[in-house]
Formats: sequence, structure tokens, C-alpha cells
Amino acid sequence: DIQMTQSPSSLSASVGDRVTITCRASQSISSYLNWYQQKPGKAPKLLIYAASSLQSGVPSRFSGSGSGTDFTLTISSLQPEDFATYYCQQSYSTPRTFGQGTRLEIK
Amino acid sequence: EVQLVESGGGLVQPGRSLRLSCTASGFTFGDYAMSWVRQAPGKGLEWVGFIRSKAYGGTTEYAASVKGRFTISRDDSKSIAYLQMNSLKTEDTAVYYCTRAPFGRGSYYFDYWGQGTLVTVSS
Repeated sequence: DIQMTQSPSSLSASVGDRVTITCRASQSISSYLNWYQQKPGKAPKLLIYAASSLQSGVPSRFSGSGSGTDFTLTISSLQPEDFATYYCQQSYSTPRTFGQGTRLEIK
Repeated sequence: EVQLVESGGGLVQPGRSLRLSCTASGFTFGDYAMSWVRQAPGKGLEWVGFIRSKAYGGTTEYAASVKGRFTISRDDSKSIAYLQMNSLKTEDTAVYYCTRAPFGRGSYYFDYWGQGTLVTVSS
């Protein structure tokens, strides 16, 4: 199975900050990497698919990059509604594993 | 508007069975793969499995933790995906989400999610 490791596990930041979350795969997954946002008590929401494609309706302050084993999710200027937990997920092979999550909190 | 509504969750004893349903609307159900993802209380997301569209054979794939116990099926005439869960264990306790899984840029991803249904396995 491909293991997905996110860092950091938690992060404190302020509104307006630029934030980067990283995700590392235990083997190459090409660009088959997706990012989701989840708020407490809610279903996850797709932000980025195929490493860098912005899902329709997602603000352009979110961006994704990377290929192979190393990927990043960047929020260019944090907004109050962005405080949530973020998950990466590989869609290269079964099982379609998720990272453990990164909790983004208000500083 | 795409909508996915899960139903069928509840309290069940270990070893028993439960069937979840995911009723879809707002899109051509038969054109898409469908997937199930679960989240144990206070934990992260765990992929359970998915079923491809009939155009791609309608085949299924599962996580090792549920393979042989869980079965995903679909009824395209009713726009419903099912998750049949047998031989339930306490560690299957989770919120179960149904997701739409389009195939794009060479792979599947999960673009719409239901609100989730809670399954509690306990004696």
C-alpha cells in the first residue's frame, strides 16, 4: 500500500498569511494526488485534483503543485473560512489512501 | 445541483449486517463511478471502496480492511449506490460518506460528497 504523510500535522496561522502544507507519498504516484478540506461536522470538499487542477468553484488562493512523491497545497492569503483540516489522497492505486490530515488553526 | 443522500445507518451489534444507500440526483448517475469513504469518530478519512460505471465494466475495488465483508453495488435505474456491510466489527464504527468519482486527468477523484451516515457497531 502507498502511505501518504502530511506535514505539519497542525499549523497555526493568521488571516492574510501564506500557508503551505506538504504531502509525501511512499512511492511515486505521478500526479495522481488530490486535496480536500473538511470543516467540523461537515463532509470533505474537493479543492485540487491531479496535483494542480483547481476544482470548479474553489477560490484561486488555493493552489497545488508537485509530482512523483512530493506535493504541496498552498493558500496564498488565508481567509477566516479557510481554518479547517486538509487531507491529501492518492488516486494512483488501490487502496486510495488519505494522508492523516493537517489541522489549520487560527493564531 | 448534484446531491448525494446517504441512509441506512444506525446501531448494530457486532457480527450483524447493515446496508447503506446513497441516492443521487442532479447528474447522470450511470456515467460515474461511485465511492464510499468512512471516518471513525475523531479520526481521519479512510477510503472503503468504489464501483466503476457500467461503461468501465462496473467493477469494484475495496480496502483490505473491508474486503470480503463489504460489497458495493449500484442500481443505475434508481440512481442509487449501495454498501452492504456484513460481519460488522466494532472498528467499523464511523460516519460513512458516499462520493461521486469522476475520471479525469487519468484517475478518479471525489468531487461531490453526501452528508454522511453514522454506523455504530456495539453490543
